[in-house]
Amino acid sequence: AQSVAQPEDQVNVAEGNPLTVKCTYSVSGNPYLFWYVQYPNRGLQFLLKYITGDNLVKGSYGFEAEFNKSQTSFHLKKPSALVSDSALYFCAVRDYGNNRLAFGKGNQVVVIP
Amino acid sequence: NAGVTQTPKFQVLKTGQSMTLQCAQDMNHEYMSWYRQDPGMGLRLIHYSVGAGITDQGEVPNGYNVSRSTTEDFPLRLLSAAPSQTSVYFCASSPRDRGEKLFFGSGTQLSVL
Repeated sequence: AQSVAQPEDQVNVAEGNPLTVKCTYSVSGNPYLFWYVQYPNRGLQFLLKYITGDNLVKGSYGFEAEFNKSQTSFHLKKPSALVSDSALYFCAVRDYGNNRLAFGKGNQVVVIP
Repeated sequence: NAGVTQTPKFQVLKTGQSMTLQCAQDMNHEYMSWYRQDPGMGLRLIHYSVGAGITDQGEVPNGYNVSRSTTEDFPLRLLSAAPSQTSVYFCASSPRDRGEKLFFGSGTQLSVL
């Protein structure tokens, strides 16, 4: 079964600094990888995905993520964090061979003004 | 466009009571799913469906039933509520292609006393 690990519970970053949220995954076949963001008392919103092709994918709100097959990682990045980026971020993976989408436990990002 | 609509938004139950969480989508999506969100545990898949008449179990199916009689609706039934089912429940849908992003509802906050 596929799984996702998000090793840090909380990421603190100063406004204007680069933001990185880490994600590693485990699948038996080729992965479909996703990042979602959740603002307080809201449902999850899609940020970006990797299916195939270029290892660097760009998404909403200036976020990007890099797929690294050898390290089984899909870290989320933003060059310059904004206070409004403070939210809960989830990495998710779906194995090519099944319909289950597995989420990580989430990372709370706090951007300090 | 309404997207994914969940009702109710809040619910308090007593142990042993039954109830149904409603989920409807108006995007003609084949894939629908239910997740529960608990602090420190991320989102865990309860049940999912790839089309009308087809359902399957996720990671934590015990205590929950689902049915999919139409493309639009995917209700989640709690047969005999337990305090361990206190959680926030999210319904999500997508086109059937495994590379498609999920669209989430706004959630149902359930407390079982």
